[in-house]
Amino acid sequence: DQQVKQNSPSLSVQEGRISILNCDYTNSMFDYFLWYKKYPAEGPTFLISISSIKDKNEDGRFTVFLNKSAKHLSLHIVPSQPGDSAVYFCAASATYSGGSNYKLTFGKGTLLTVNP
Amino acid sequence: DTEVTQTPKHLVMGMTNKKSLKCEQHMGHRAMYWYKQKAKKPPELMFVYSYEKLSINESVPSRFSPECPNSSLLNLHLHALQPEDSALYLCASSQGAGGYYEQYFGPGTRLTVT
Repeated sequence: DQQVKQNSPSLSVQEGRISILNCDYTNSMFDYFLWYKKYPAEGPTFLISISSIKDKNEDGRFTVFLNKSAKHLSLHIVPSQPGDSAVYFCAASATYSGGSNYKLTFGKGTLLTVNP
Repeated sequence: DTEVTQTPKHLVMGMTNKKSLKCEQHMGHRAMYWYKQKAKKPPELMFVYSYEKLSINESVPSRFSPECPNSSLLNLHLHALQPEDSALYLCASSQGAGGYYEQYFGPGTRLTVT
């Protein structure tokens, strides 16, 4: 049972345009969401996070939007740069679920390619 | 210093070998994790250590044995592995033991079991 879903395995955008990566979740206990970026042969790198008490968090070119009623979040990258080309993982945790509250559940990832 | 280091980068071992993976962080983080990642799949949690005590074991076979000698070090001892255990093994750490702490990942050890 996939609790965090990234339905687009890949996305291709032009340099300078907006990249929008989507993520859906099914577990209503999730209350903290993170995005990680992963280059080949490297570990995931933390990008940005959002708590369920917010609907938007912005950090430079990266903005994450959360729609709790739809159980949907998205990562916007503006403007996109060729160096942003990587696999992006959405992850979620349930911070008050007792002993497993530091378990991150990851989506399958979306490969973003930014073309010059 | 926001780095998690892992050694070795690559490891090839036979099914009868015993080897260890090492992970180190100097960020003062009190939670450390082992993940396994197969190709084109997300990372899967194996173990969590919180304040040097094992707090989560995600039903991992006993041929994987974690160890946390101190707050900066995490080992994963491997014995009698199977070819299907070949994967990228990622170590991560976080400031505290809570889902609202970002986890910082190392580059991983690429393990091949022959």
